[in-house]
Amino acid sequence: RKEVEQDPGPFNVPEGATVAFNCTYSNSASQSFFWYRQDCRKEPKLLMSVYSSGNEDGRFTAQLNRASQYISLLIRDSKLSDSATYLCVVSGGSYIPTFGRGTSLIVHP
Amino acid sequence: GAGVSQSPRYKVTKRGQDVALRCDPISGHVSLYWYRQALGQGPEFLTYFNYEAQQDKSGLPNDRFSAERPEGSISTLTIQRTEQRDSAMYRCASSLESIGPKLISGANVLTFGAGSRLTVL
Repeated sequence: RKEVEQDPGPFNVPEGATVAFNCTYSNSASQSFFWYRQDCRKEPKLLMSVYSSGNEDGRFTAQLNRASQYISLLIRDSKLSDSATYLCVVSGGSYIPTFGRGTSLIVHP
Repeated sequence: GAGVSQSPRYKVTKRGQDVALRCDPISGHVSLYWYRQALGQGPEFLTYFNYEAQQDKSGLPNDRFSAERPEGSISTLTIQRTEQRDSAMYRCASSLESIGPKLISGANVLTFGAGSRLTVL
């Protein structure tokens, strides 16, 4: 079983839609969680950290469910510019950031 | 520097040659990480340093791969006797502090460079 698993998609949604991605992790000792965004042919960039209580940044909401070992990312009112790959990152027992394979989002007019 | 700088951006080499990929992290960043990313996949951990000390090299695929960060700043990832399967994007990232048990807001977030794309013919 992979340490961090994501549905690769693609998720194809119209502008204005709400879309949610989940990411599961295998190490129950994991302590740090992040969502990164990667545009085509670019480097990954931090989108948001994920805190135990959940957190929101504008149209983006991240949640952590320790009992079920998953994190989620919700994007409201999708924009064309949200089209990208969203990478889930988990730091487990060794604290090394481990990336999922990413979920591709395509927002169309 | 202002960001993480990697060179060369593109490297084409013949099978069997050695290659060295360089990473210049953000000034003052303690930790430096090397990842490898294949098309359609997320970055795969190779190794990381705190200052000049290599903390973990468990992700290096085999002994043809090595890395160093002798003065705690610039790092070099060396691949000896390259093979076609080594072709990938090699990404370097740095963070202000080391990832640890306590999430310090902003301090242990990774900032990536643009990457070095290696093609082995």
